[in-house]
Amino acid sequence: QKEVEQDPGPLSVPEGAIVSLNCTYSNSAFQYFMWYRQYSRKGPELLMYTYSSGNKEDGRFTAQVDKSSKYISLFIRDSQPSDSATYLCAMRNSGGSYIPTFGRGTSLIVHP
Amino acid sequence: GAVVSQHPSWVICKSGTSVKIECRSLDFQATTMFWYRQFPKQSLMLMATSNEGSKATYEQGVEKDKFLINHASLTLSTLTVTSAHPEDSSFYICSANDRDRGYEQYFGPGTRLTVT
Repeated sequence: QKEVEQDPGPLSVPEGAIVSLNCTYSNSAFQYFMWYRQYSRKGPELLMYTYSSGNKEDGRFTAQVDKSSKYISLFIRDSQPSDSATYLCAMRNSGGSYIPTFGRGTSLIVHP
Repeated sequence: GAVVSQHPSWVICKSGTSVKIECRSLDFQATTMFWYRQFPKQSLMLMATSNEGSKATYEQGVEKDKFLINHASLTLSTLTVTSAHPEDSSFYICSANDRDRGYEQYFGPGTRLTVT
């Protein structure tokens, strides 16, 4: 079992839909949870960063962390074609090497 | 803020030659810099971690004599692919973190290397 599991998709939705992207993990020591967006042939861009459990909202994006279930989610409201990209979850312990463990990414396609 | 640049963005080289890729943190001093490799439709594979003025720490299976990393300053790291072969063709991405920004990684735009 990989430390972080993420469905690669692709996930195809119509414009305006609510998108739910998810990751599960096995390491209970993870404390910091991140979502990155990566457009084709570009480097990942940090979208959301959450510490421990709970929700965090930023515009159309909401990140949720449920540590009891070892499950994190990213919700995108009113999805746009420009949201079409690969979304990678990442997580790490507190301290240590500060190197996150990445999921393999979910490819999202928002069609007009 | 937290901008990381990479140069070149795309390079083609002949088999047997060496290629150098630069990574710079433009508006912050990087505590640590990282080099990743990414194959199509795959996740990021960490190659090595480097701190300024120190030798890089390579991940298991990464040849340190083939992938030379130099971290000359708090804003510059270079990756040199020596004696490149077609199987080295890939997308190479650097990232940097910053103690003052909570150690989160900020990525460069990537360099696509094609070895012919």
